[in-house]
Amino acid sequence: DAKTTQPPSMDCAEGRAANLPCNHSTISGNEYVYWYRQIHSQGPQYIIHGLKNNETNEMASLIITEDRKSSTLILPHATLRDTAVYYCIVRVVNSGGSNYKLTFGKGTLLTVNP
Amino acid sequence: EAQVTQNPRYLITVTGKKLTVTCSQNMNHEYMSWYRQDPGLGLRQIYYSMNVEVTDKGDVPEGYKVSRKEKRNFPLILESPSPNQTSLYFCASSPRTGSNQPQHFGDGTRLSIL
Repeated sequence: DAKTTQPPSMDCAEGRAANLPCNHSTISGNEYVYWYRQIHSQGPQYIIHGLKNNETNEMASLIITEDRKSSTLILPHATLRDTAVYYCIVRVVNSGGSNYKLTFGKGTLLTVNP
Repeated sequence: EAQVTQNPRYLITVTGKKLTVTCSQNMNHEYMSWYRQDPGLGLRQIYYSMNVEVTDKGDVPEGYKVSRKEKRNFPLILESPSPNQTSLYFCASSPRTGSNQPQHFGDGTRLSIL
């Protein structure tokens, strides 16, 4: 699976949009981009994933650049409860049934301030 | 409610006393996996299972056993726990069909081996 690079920490004001970048310059054509977050030692929580198109769900939006070498997770209106470590993960997806292991890096600690 | 349930949530025990951490999911997922999380090392996969009676080693399987006799359950067994297995453990599951589907994580089990 391709390696990802994220800033170690970011701050955001409550109510403002939080834009979390991720670089995955070695991504290959059959690799998806996943975003998870972990709130203070709780289980990682799935946020969103995508292949090449931008995606949006009730939690966030995912913007993937046209060359797929980077992406941005957008939390449109951050709240204090969004303070967490956010992980960008790239994983090969195939129909062969191999291990679906997720490789977590160090992630970005997002702190939402009042 | 769709969930992955781990028990116990916390356990303090002594070296050599066999223990089992249970994991159960109610989503009829074929794939299940165990991770451990340690400071500075992130989440590392211990074992995984692609389906009933199909298990395989992850990155750090030493000192652990698993079994998958039923689809919903995937217990993690420490036959002779040692202090270096003190860690935060997470169980995860996902469907196999549509292999890009996200994994769902349990709330974690914090083990302390004295």
